[in-house]
Amino acid sequence: KNEVEQSPQNLTAQEGEFITINCSYSVGISALHWLQQHPGGGIVSLFMLSSGKKKHGRLIATINIQEKHSSLHITASHPRDSAVYICAVHIIQGAQKLVFGQGTRLTINP
Amino acid sequence: KAGVTQTPRYLIKTRGQQVTLSCSPISGHRSVSWYQQTPGQGLQFLFEYFSETQRNKGNFPGRFSGRQFSNSRSEMNVSTLELGDSALYLCASSLAEGATGLGEQFFGPGTRLTVL
Repeated sequence: KNEVEQSPQNLTAQEGEFITINCSYSVGISALHWLQQHPGGGIVSLFMLSSGKKKHGRLIATINIQEKHSSLHITASHPRDSAVYICAVHIIQGAQKLVFGQGTRLTINP
Repeated sequence: KAGVTQTPRYLIKTRGQQVTLSCSPISGHRSVSWYQQTPGQGLQFLFEYFSETQRNKGNFPGRFSGRQFSNSRSEMNVSTLELGDSALYLCASSLAEGATGLGEQFFGPGTRLTVL
């Protein structure tokens, strides 16, 4: 079983819909990252959070440490939101490392 | 501020050769991490350098190595290339200081390595 699981793997929606992407992890973490990757490979950090909730524009990220679960929400989705969204957890087990989920491919149709 | 830059952007090598990739972090960032992305394994953490020292390491064989210079620029080297090393190699820099860990990652555009 992967340490980080994302769902769904693929998501297609219409412009304007409310989007939720989920991330569950099975290990103790110090922080969780949400990343966005567009075709061509460039990765942008959207959020890094260790508790509660963060909001940036139409994006909202929440984390529940006790339940080992995080969600990324996109309100009023737009075709330019089409990308792969990746959850990564910051693990400290002696050394520190980031462990990544497999990504969620989001397509927003106009 | 200029973003993270990586050179070269594309590279083709043959099995058995070695390769060196370069990463220049955002000015002021002292931590540089390297990642490998493949269709099969997704994104995987290779290692992190801070103040010229490898501070954290993922589960990759010793053929993968790196170093960091006093200006925080970093290089990654892969020796005795295998077909499975074909991947997008990304570096990321962060402000992470001391024991606070990896911090928010600012990614470069990546180097796409093809091994024939």
